[in-house]
Amino acid sequence: DVKVTQSSRYLVKRTGEKVFLECVQDMDHENMFWYRQDPGLGLRLIYFSYDVKMKEKGDIPEGYSVSREKKERFSLILESASTNQTSMYLCASSLGRRGAGANVLTFGAGSRLTVL
Amino acid sequence: AQKITQTQPGMFVQEKEAVTLDCTYDTSDPSYGLFWYKQPSSGEMIFLIYQGSYDQQNATEGRYSLNFQKARKSANLVISASQLGDSAMYFCAMRERSGGSNYKLTFGKGTLLTVNP
Repeated sequence: DVKVTQSSRYLVKRTGEKVFLECVQDMDHENMFWYRQDPGLGLRLIYFSYDVKMKEKGDIPEGYSVSREKKERFSLILESASTNQTSMYLCASSLGRRGAGANVLTFGAGSRLTVL
Repeated sequence: AQKITQTQPGMFVQEKEAVTLDCTYDTSDPSYGLFWYKQPSSGEMIFLIYQGSYDQQNATEGRYSLNFQKARKSANLVISASQLGDSAMYFCAMRERSGGSNYKLTFGKGTLLTVNP
């Protein structure tokens, strides 16, 4: 069964802390994505990656960075967490760059981050 | 400017009736795709249906169909014979190019559907 696993379901951090959100997929997908979901705002794309060591900014990259050292793992990093980064973070992956089927996203269960 | 617009924050429907969830989009890319995802209260995101910009026929998947009107840039989701389990948040999304041959998926703000018994 196809799977995207996010390491932490719930996290509570303090302002200024460095936060790592980990995501692993076991489907040999090329593309991986990080979204944040907030009530009334839907899902907003933070960063995505279409290959190992490659990354591209999404719509709201400020305050975030990412790392993709291995194909199956895509990490979201908050260098210095702030209260406005309290949110649900969703990781997703898709097979490849071309075609309809290739771009169906498979999502993880989400990581709910609270920054105090 | 919003790329995906879902104008209905909330919708109600009686069980066994049909419901249409609206979605309009904006893109200059001639090759794009439109998706609908369902998010129940458990939080998981479930892919429902896909429509490619060059597809001649409207997509259908069981009780879900996509009413694709290209000239109007709309891609409404129609759910027939609603069930209580259809109560969820529904997101419309668009795949478009993001430089070269890479693609990204942009989501709307969602519509919360409640099915009444």
